[in-house]
Amino acid sequence: GDSVTQMEGPVTLSEEAFLTINCTYTATGYPSLFWYVQYPGEGLQLLLKATKADDKGSNKGFEATYRKETTSFHLEKGSVQVSDSAVYFCALVNTGGFKTIFGAGTRLFVKA
Amino acid sequence: NAGVMQNPRHLVRRRGQEARLRCSPMKGHSHVYWYRQLPEEGLKFMVYLQKENIIDESGMPKERFSAEFPKEGPSILRIQQVVRGDSAAYFCASSPPSSGGGNEQFFGPGTRLTVL
Repeated sequence: GDSVTQMEGPVTLSEEAFLTINCTYTATGYPSLFWYVQYPGEGLQLLLKATKADDKGSNKGFEATYRKETTSFHLEKGSVQVSDSAVYFCALVNTGGFKTIFGAGTRLFVKA
Repeated sequence: NAGVMQNPRHLVRRRGQEARLRCSPMKGHSHVYWYRQLPEEGLKFMVYLQKENIIDESGMPKERFSAEFPKEGPSILRIQQVVRGDSAAYFCASSPPSSGGGNEQFFGPGTRLTVL
């Protein structure tokens, strides 16, 4: 079945460091890919998405590129802030599907 | 346009009691999904409903759990005779009627259930 694998956390960075959170997927068909962010005690917020190969999603300085050849959707940010501390979830919804399949989440701590 | 609303935000129950979780989808959305998040884990799909119909409940435990989305009113996730293992965050999501492939779902803030 469809699945999402993302790097284990926690990831601890200093402010202004470069962030990469790896995400790979397994899916039949042509899924849409998403990154969600969950701040402590809150629900999920959509951070960015890409619906087809080579699309780049971007928002708030974060970006991720849909790479079909490597089945990846790695999240990157050039300069993280303390306020970026949260749990990040990579997810997919397959073509014509309705279940969002989530990775296990990666917790990010950013130190001042 | 208000987002997906869930209530209560926090719910405490003793073992054996019933828990009722409510979800009001975004205006104009007729598809509702429930997910469960166990501590330190990702979200797991439970059930997908449209108005008055359960479309897929493959992620629902076979016993004690039920869900409905009536013609009027919110969607309800009901857990009977709760046990400690039911303690989790339960998230509702909604999407519009004709989302097409790869539909984006809009998530509510979640209900955090604690079973004592």
